[in-house]
Amino acid sequence: SQKIEQNSEALNIQEGKTATLTCNYTNYSPAYLQWYRQDPGRGPVFLLLIRENEKEKRKERLKVTFDTTLKQSLFHITASQPADSATYLCALPTSGGSYIPTFGRGTSLIVHP
Amino acid sequence: DSGVTQTPKHLITATGQRVTLRCSPRSGDLSVYWYQQSLDQGLQFLIQYYNGEERAKGNILERFSAQQFPDLHSELNLSSLELGDSALYFCASSGGGRAITYNEQFFGPGTRLTVL
Repeated sequence: SQKIEQNSEALNIQEGKTATLTCNYTNYSPAYLQWYRQDPGRGPVFLLLIRENEKEKRKERLKVTFDTTLKQSLFHITASQPADSATYLCALPTSGGSYIPTFGRGTSLIVHP
Repeated sequence: DSGVTQTPKHLITATGQRVTLRCSPRSGDLSVYWYQQSLDQGLQFLIQYYNGEERAKGNILERFSAQQFPDLHSELNLSSLELGDSALYFCASSGGGRAITYNEQFFGPGTRLTVL
């Protein structure tokens, strides 16, 4: 099955800077990769999906890259705001041919005013 | 608001007891997924139902069971509860009328279960 690694240490940045979060995976190359945001005690909220044949995807201040050679996705938030403070989870198919996502443990982002 | 509802919001019970968690999916979604999230395990997939039938199974214990009813709401039954079952339980729905989709999952607000 897929193993997903996200930095367990919180990322602290200043407001206005670009936050970059990393998602590394092992084993097979997934057909897609998703990013979710989760606030404490609340359900994850979908942000972006990127497919294996896409190198980059953007949505407003968010950008996701997908490098199947490095087995890595980077998630960027530009012009970060304190309201962006949350835990960000990446998710990939559980195994080859599966569509059920396996979630990483997430990285906590703290944006300081 | 994701459109997915879950009840109850909080549940406190004792070891050995049985509880039922309820979920109503987003309008139009036929697939319902159940997840468990604990501090040491992260978000773990338990089981998926599609239009009333079990579709995929994850790390679900034999003490746990689920079903999806004709009106598409789903229930997760947890029995012989242990201290380690204390966690947040999330329901998610997706896919509209399709069983298999790479699209996003819409999560409910969760039920926080505390086993004492």
